[in-house]
Amino acid sequence: AQSVAQPEDQVNVAEGNPLTVKCTYSVSGNPYLFWYVQYPNRGLQFLLKYITGDNLVKGSYGFEAEFNKSQTSFHLKKPSALVSDSALYFCAVRDPNYGGATNKLIFGTGTLLAVQP
Amino acid sequence: DTAVSQTPKYLVTQMGNDKSIKCEQNLGHDTMYWYKQDSKKFLKIMFSYNNKELIINETVPNRFSPKSPDKAHLNLHINSLELGDSAVYFCASSQRETSTDTQYFGPGTRLTVL
Repeated sequence: AQSVAQPEDQVNVAEGNPLTVKCTYSVSGNPYLFWYVQYPNRGLQFLLKYITGDNLVKGSYGFEAEFNKSQTSFHLKKPSALVSDSALYFCAVRDPNYGGATNKLIFGTGTLLAVQP
Repeated sequence: DTAVSQTPKYLVTQMGNDKSIKCEQNLGHDTMYWYKQDSKKFLKIMFSYNNKELIINETVPNRFSPKSPDKAHLNLHINSLELGDSAVYFCASSQRETSTDTQYFGPGTRLTVL
């Protein structure tokens, strides 16, 4: 069964420092991987995705993520954190098989990113 | 322009009542979803419709009934509301015919059952 793990409930980082939010996955076949961000009392906003190709994926707001097949990881990164990046971040995996019940996102439990000024 | 919209944003109701949440997308997508986010922020899919046809139906009580009048709308009707139904419900949409199938989410409806 497909699954996603976000091992950290919360990540604290000082503004201006690099940040990493971790995600590991378990899926049969090639994974489609996504990162979403949820600001307080808001819906989820799409940040970036990995489908195929370059392992380093660039997304919105200066975020990027690195796909590592051998470690089954898809960590979210940003070189310099902003206070406004403080939010809840979700990693998700989608089975690439089209059709039927496999066409759905499996979300991780979320990681709260707190950026201190 | 709002891509995926939901109404109402907040819904407070008594146990046993029946309520509906509406969702509309103007992205031209052919697939829509309902997700439930509980108090611990866990997100789980409930239903998915493709071209008005139900394609995903997770283990959800039959008190929950989605209805898709057309590709742009997916409503969620809940009968006999229970305390445990209190959550934030998110609608999402995507275009399944593309290879990427990115899902775009609405702002959520916070349901509180008293």
